[in-house]
Amino acid sequence: GAVVSQHPSWVICKSGTSVKIECRSLDFQATTMFWYRQFPKQSLMLMATSNEGSKATYEQGVEKDKFLINHASLTLSTLTVTSAHPEDSSFYICSAPARGRAALYEQYFGPGTRLTVT
Amino acid sequence: DQQVKQNSPSLSVQEGRISILNCDYTNSMFDYFLWYKKYPAEGPTFLISISSIKDKNEDGRFTVFLNKSAKHLSLHIVPSQPGDSAVYFCAASSDSNYQLIWGAGTKLIIKP
Repeated sequence: GAVVSQHPSWVICKSGTSVKIECRSLDFQATTMFWYRQFPKQSLMLMATSNEGSKATYEQGVEKDKFLINHASLTLSTLTVTSAHPEDSSFYICSAPARGRAALYEQYFGPGTRLTVT
Repeated sequence: DQQVKQNSPSLSVQEGRISILNCDYTNSMFDYFLWYKKYPAEGPTFLISISSIKDKNEDGRFTVFLNKSAKHLSLHIVPSQPGDSAVYFCAASSDSNYQLIWGAGTKLIIKP
């Protein structure tokens, strides 16, 4: 099946600094990628849809100036958490749709990035 | 407004028995439903899906049933194995841009 990687897998940063998370589709091209956030014991929350060559679409309540998304190529989307604060500490996961057993609707997920802001 | 609901936060099943995970939805426009399995500190992995034109889809030990009139789907795992212990998410989609609406997840614990 298709593979999506994320880097880094975990990061600890100081409050006020910015952190960049990369999401790569390794063996397929993805014009669309999705960024999710998961809080402990809660469901995955869609943050934004990353579109190659155009602006990302943010979900209601997600600050676009705080969570900067860039989808500069067909295999790479980046999420930058700017001026991070402890409340931004979470597990961030990206996904990309690709052909699979479920064809049209199957999504492949990255392994996630654990962000801890101190 | 939760469009996809998994009302059981956790479920404990004896190894070898059947595990039944339930999911309800409210949006009648959903036409595709998926189940994902997630281990701690990992991304979800796709398990099985079903289109709204079907009422059952089977893949090995996993079977998903869809009851459109009740807006309910369920995932059956039989026989349950220790490696099945994970959080299972139900997700639904209603358009072609692959966006998924997620349930809150059910933590499945398989007891030896």
